[in-house]
Amino acid sequence: DTAVSQTPKYLVTQMGNDKSIKCEQNLGHDTMYWYKQDSKKFLKIMFSYNNKELIINETVPNRFSPKSPDKAHLNLHINSLELGDSAVYFCASSQVSGGWETQYFGPGTRLLVL
Amino acid sequence: AQSVTQLDSQVPVFEEAPVELRCNYSSSVSVYLFWYVQYPNQGLQLLLKYLSGSTLVESINGFEAEFNKSQTSFHLRKPSVHISDTAEYFCAVSDSTGGYQKVTFGIGTKLQVIP
Repeated sequence: DTAVSQTPKYLVTQMGNDKSIKCEQNLGHDTMYWYKQDSKKFLKIMFSYNNKELIINETVPNRFSPKSPDKAHLNLHINSLELGDSAVYFCASSQVSGGWETQYFGPGTRLLVL
Repeated sequence: AQSVTQLDSQVPVFEEAPVELRCNYSSSVSVYLFWYVQYPNQGLQLLLKYLSGSTLVESINGFEAEFNKSQTSFHLRKPSVHISDTAEYFCAVSDSTGGYQKVTFGIGTKLQVIP
């Protein structure tokens, strides 16, 4: 029944490793997002995909590579992890209707880089 | 470009007291405004939104927000808070960027309800 799900929920890893976070939505939405929430709770958009096509790419290091195999999935792969990558990563989805949208968020993936 | 300013990072308030969480925005185009709530260790959930029409919008759990265009504000209020309202509250603004919606969030206000 979960609308937007993310795996894993927690991720602890060493600096320099490569890791992936997966996101799936069963709402039938066309648009998916990745956000990063830092230790001060600031929420910043990283990427947005619409029907598997990248539409928003904020200033994010190219160590971060999103992949959307279909419109229900948006995965985030991170290469050469750094200490500053420690944060909570939220996936979200939305469906634009009548010129506005409500975003539905996943539970978050808590990444800790040691 | 659009931006959101939440003036208070933390708001402590006693249970059953009223609360106001402040939010101001700036945008060069018409916007849609949202309040999201994040309970501990959870994702964000939509609390209420302003799209058009009546400037006063309400949520199912007693919160309300008023869109004030002249003051570019969208403050969130509740006349009597409960312990369960303890959470982080995010104000957000959305407009169209190249035909797609882009949502900008404020830094959040932590509401701490004191028993």
